[in-house]
Amino acid sequence: EVQLVESGGGLIQPGGSLRLSCAASGFSVSNNYMNWVRQAPGKGLEWVSVIYSGGTTYYADSVKGRFTISRDSSKNTLYLQMNSLRAEDTAVYYCARRGDGGRSIDYWGQGTLVTVSS
Amino acid sequence: DIQMTQSPSSVSASVGDRVTITCRASQGISTWLAWYQQKPGKAPKLLIYAASSLQSGVPSRFSGSGSGTDFTLTISSLQPEDFATYYCQQANSFPFTFGPGTKVDIK
Repeated sequence: EVQLVESGGGLIQPGGSLRLSCAASGFSVSNNYMNWVRQAPGKGLEWVSVIYSGGTTYYADSVKGRFTISRDSSKNTLYLQMNSLRAEDTAVYYCARRGDGGRSIDYWGQGTLVTVSS
Repeated sequence: DIQMTQSPSSVSASVGDRVTITCRASQGISTWLAWYQQKPGKAPKLLIYAASSLQSGVPSRFSGSGSGTDFTLTISSLQPEDFATYYCQQANSFPFTFGPGTKVDIK
């Protein structure tokens, strides 16, 4: 069974850093395209980043240069390193796997809340 | 970036109603479009991929159509468990933008 479990969220001051983790089971993170998607409180979904199986990465303009997506195949875990955090980064962050069909996301984690506030 | 719009932003409907949601892309995206359902406090769930392909396990009352810039999600007979917010997402080019969502609530 495919499972994605995020951790690492919490309250952080503006300008601070945080690293989110997503532990995967039932499949290999390294052999799949893995995404981070976020949702600000009461708002819609925003795609944040993807890492391809070959290691290529892409980012939303809003986080480019501040966030870094990575993975550890030995731990079967996906990461999102978030630096220079801003109030507008406050959101639930979802780890999500791209499925085989149409570049869509077929599995999502339960999400972890990041709150950026002083 | 490709901008996605959805209409209506919300719809009130009754059980058994046919509901249609429209999604429009600011430029052509072929059939690189997915539809997701999200209930409060839960992660999104994939309903439709590649514009019209039904994800495994999703009831057949859900269907998708369209290509290029205009797409629709149709719920043929609304069920109580379908009251939720629905999002489209383009996967033609980065960033993979989502539409703003359509909330389907009880009339």
